Amino acid sequence: EAGVTQSPTHLIKTRGQQATLRCSPISGHTSVYWYQQALGLGLQFLLWYDEGEERNRGNFPPRFSGRQFPNYSSELNVNALELEDSALYLCASSFGHLPETQYFGPGTRLLVL
Amino acid sequence: SQQGEEDPQALSIQEGENATMNCSYKTSINNLQWYRQNSGRGLVHLILIRSNEREKHSGRLRVTLDTSKKSSSLLITASRAADTASYFCATDAHNNAGNMLTFGGGTRLMVKP
Repeated sequence: EAGVTQSPTHLIKTRGQQATLRCSPISGHTSVYWYQQALGLGLQFLLWYDEGEERNRGNFPPRFSGRQFPNYSSELNVNALELEDSALYLCASSFGHLPETQYFGPGTRLLVL
Repeated sequence: SQQGEEDPQALSIQEGENATMNCSYKTSINNLQWYRQNSGRGLVHLILIRSNEREKHSGRLRVTLDTSKKSSSLLITASRAADTASYFCATDAHNNAGNMLTFGGGTRLMVKP
């Protein structure tokens, strides 16, 4: 069974640009979560999607947004990139919306210059 | 702020020794999970312990949970060089509006061969 996949593995952008990160959940999982792991700040919850709807978001500005497609894959968009957006962005998936183990992808490392 | 706080922040041991990491949290939880992360890559789920469980084993891993003290410990027995990684606890809080996991800052474990 394939795990959670993310693309690209690395992304380099300049300040002010937009970044799009993609995530494919484990087959059969309907929930997708996005986390940011910035240096020195630990893992911070960004967004949760389930059945195509945004269900919850963390304490991040509106320029962090995303969506979930009918096949349950997801995109995270970051607009007007700032230097401090440089981080590892991790996607996770789980089956359903009850408290469950979340399975993580390998992450996308975003560098903003 | 972090729900979970791990200690120690860093731990260095010799191969074959046991490693113990602790996690404290602030609010009531549904469950607590431990994850491993190798060098800035994705997180690997290790073990989930529910709030009504006190101890759980998986191979060389032993997790305890003390809800009265709001703390958990992860014990890795007979450590190997391959156990070198960062270890995070994550909690799914009772009043959680939506399945977000709250991670601690992690313990960086180095196992010397």
